[in-house]
Amino acid sequence: DGGITQSPKYLFRKEGQNVTLSCEQNLNHDAMYWYRQDPGQGLRLIYYSQIVNDFQKGDIAEGYSVSREKKESFPLTVTSAQKNPTAFYLCASTGFYNEQFFGPGTRLTVL
Amino acid sequence: AQTVTQSQPEMSVQEAETVTLSCTYDTSESDYYLFWYKQPPSRQMILVIRQEAYKQQNATENRFSVNFQKAAKSFSLKISDSQLGDAAMYFCASRTASKLTFGTGTRLQVTL
Repeated sequence: DGGITQSPKYLFRKEGQNVTLSCEQNLNHDAMYWYRQDPGQGLRLIYYSQIVNDFQKGDIAEGYSVSREKKESFPLTVTSAQKNPTAFYLCASTGFYNEQFFGPGTRLTVL
Repeated sequence: AQTVTQSQPEMSVQEAETVTLSCTYDTSESDYYLFWYKQPPSRQMILVIRQEAYKQQNATENRFSVNFQKAAKSFSLKISDSQLGDAAMYFCASRTASKLTFGTGTRLQVTL
C-alpha cells in the first residue's frame, strides 16, 4: 500500500543527545514536510523540501536539521540545541491536488 | 504571511444532528487551497475536504460540506448527521505555493 511511514512511534531523548526521526514515503511525491504539534495547538512547520537535495526552513527550524538525499526519505534530527523538544512530530508529503498526506507521527519525550 | 483562525476551541453536537465549525483565513495570494483535517485520538491527520480558491462551488464530501465565502475569507465546515466517530480535533488549513498553515483546531464532541 502507498503511504507515509514514520519511526519510531515513541522516542525518548536524554538531555544533550541528538536524535533522528525517520520519515519514508512511497507515494512518489516530490515535496515533504516536518511539523511539530504541542498540546492544544495546531501544527507548526519545521522544515520542508520540494525536491531532492534541497530544503527550506519553516517557522520553527532552530534546533532541528534535515536532509533529503533520496526522494522517498526526509529524516529529521532534533539536536541538543532544541531546548524544548518534547512534542508530537508529523511528517507529510504533498499530493497532486495539493493536499498533504500525513504519517502516523512520532512522540518525542525528553527524559 | 498567512494566518488561519479557528475561534471555537470546543464544540458539541448530538448524534444525528448538524454542526458547523468556523474558520477564517488571511492571505495575500490569489491562488490558494483550503482544507479541513480531522485528528482523532490516534493523532493521525486525515484529510476531510478540500476547496480550491478559484472554484465558486462549495466542496462536498458525503456528510461533510463547506461554506466558502471568498470575499469574507471564511471557510466553515458543516457536518451533517453527526456520528460518534466524528469526535476529533478538526483543523482548518490554508495552502499557498509551498506552505500549509494550520489553525489551532476545534475539538468536536459527539453526544448520544
